[in-house]
Amino acid sequence: DAGVIQSPRHEVTEMGQEVTLRCKPISGHNSLFWYRQTMMRGLELLIYFNNNVPIDDSGMPEDRFSAKMPNASFSTLKIQPSEPRDSAVYFCASSPTVKRNTIYFGEGSWLTVV
Amino acid sequence: AQKITQTQPGMFVQEKEAVTLDCTYDTSDPSYGLFWYKQPSSGEMIFLIYQGSYDQQNATEGRYSLNFQKARKSANLVISASQLGDSAMYFCAMRGNQAGTALIFGKGTTLSVSS
Repeated sequence: DAGVIQSPRHEVTEMGQEVTLRCKPISGHNSLFWYRQTMMRGLELLIYFNNNVPIDDSGMPEDRFSAKMPNASFSTLKIQPSEPRDSAVYFCASSPTVKRNTIYFGEGSWLTVV
Repeated sequence: AQKITQTQPGMFVQEKEAVTLDCTYDTSDPSYGLFWYKQPSSGEMIFLIYQGSYDQQNATEGRYSLNFQKARKSANLVISASQLGDSAMYFCAMRGNQAGTALIFGKGTTLSVSS
């Protein structure tokens, strides 16, 4: 079975540009998570969805960030406009929505904003 | 609120030796799960081991075992017979046992294994 698929794997963009990160969760997983990893702040939960519905977006840093999950097999994380401090690795992860189940991560999208 | 604390920024161990990576946690949830992930230099997050708060026995997965001490709120990872390929960042994480909750991570510990 395919794992969590993220695209792009690497992106370099100029400050002010819009960035869209994409994620396809593991088939059958009902929960989807977006995390951000930086050296300074470690792994931070940005937002997560259960059955395509956003449950907790308190980790979204500011209004420049938005996330959607239009269906069970696709999610996007958008940054508009991007800033250099948004440079990080963005992980998408998914999990079955049952107890005692772990969360499986994609390979990450490495974003550099110059 | 949940919190994970990993106090060791870096650990060094010789090949074939055992090493313990520390993790303490805080939560008000009566039921929760504790996880360890490995992140090698290539960047992917690899699930290693899981411990449920009501599990009677400590979890083991091959060379990995979790030393769970509920009263002390600790969930240390023990790696036996270290290998060079174990060099990586290790993250402790917690998740409430209500369906569909998120993982909260510690800051991580960098493990370096030398020959």
